[in-house]
Amino acid sequence: ETGVTQSPTHLIKTRGQQVTLRCSSQSGHNTVSWYQQALGQGPQFIFQYYREEENGRGNFPPRFSGLQFPNYSSELNVNALELDDSALYLCASSFDSLGGYTFGSGTRLTVV
Amino acid sequence: GQQLNQSPQSMFIQEGEDVSMNCTSSSIFNTWLWYKQDPGEGPVLLIALYKAGELTSNGRLTAQFGITRKDSFLNISASIPSDVGIYFCAGQPEYNNNDMRFGAGTRLTVKP
Repeated sequence: ETGVTQSPTHLIKTRGQQVTLRCSSQSGHNTVSWYQQALGQGPQFIFQYYREEENGRGNFPPRFSGLQFPNYSSELNVNALELDDSALYLCASSFDSLGGYTFGSGTRLTVV
Repeated sequence: GQQLNQSPQSMFIQEGEDVSMNCTSSSIFNTWLWYKQDPGEGPVLLIALYKAGELTSNGRLTAQFGITRKDSFLNISASIPSDVGIYFCAGQPEYNNNDMRFGAGTRLTVKP
């Protein structure tokens, strides 16, 4: 059973650019959630996808968007990057949004 | 923002000592989860709690879901050096089961 994998592991972007982060969910999981973790903070919920539909959203602006594919993998897209978007972006998967999410190791995004 | 108040923020203990940390919220939660995060990694699930009053153990770890559904604690007995890391409480609020809120974390240091 493979766990959650995220790519890339590190990324540097310039303010104003767009970025796409990718996540492969754990085998058997149909729900993917994305989190932003600033340095020294706990993860903050961005949104969740369940069976290819957005299934809940945290307090993030519309320039944060996502997709889930038929194989339950997912993408997080961020447009018009700002310096404050620099963070570790975590993807977590589960079955039917029940507790006990499995997290990936994250993508460290730096915006300069 | 985060609705969970996690304490203490940090702990410095001697190897072999017991540790206790807790989390409180202003809202009722349906699920309480405890995660550990090592540097450069995503959070790893330690214990999941699904029912008020539930007391669950995982080796030297014990966690409880508070009766009011607004708090939880995690105890670690006989700490060892590999317990070092950041521990996060997380919960799924009653008003939005698709969201998972995290505390700010407790940084644990164990001195050999």
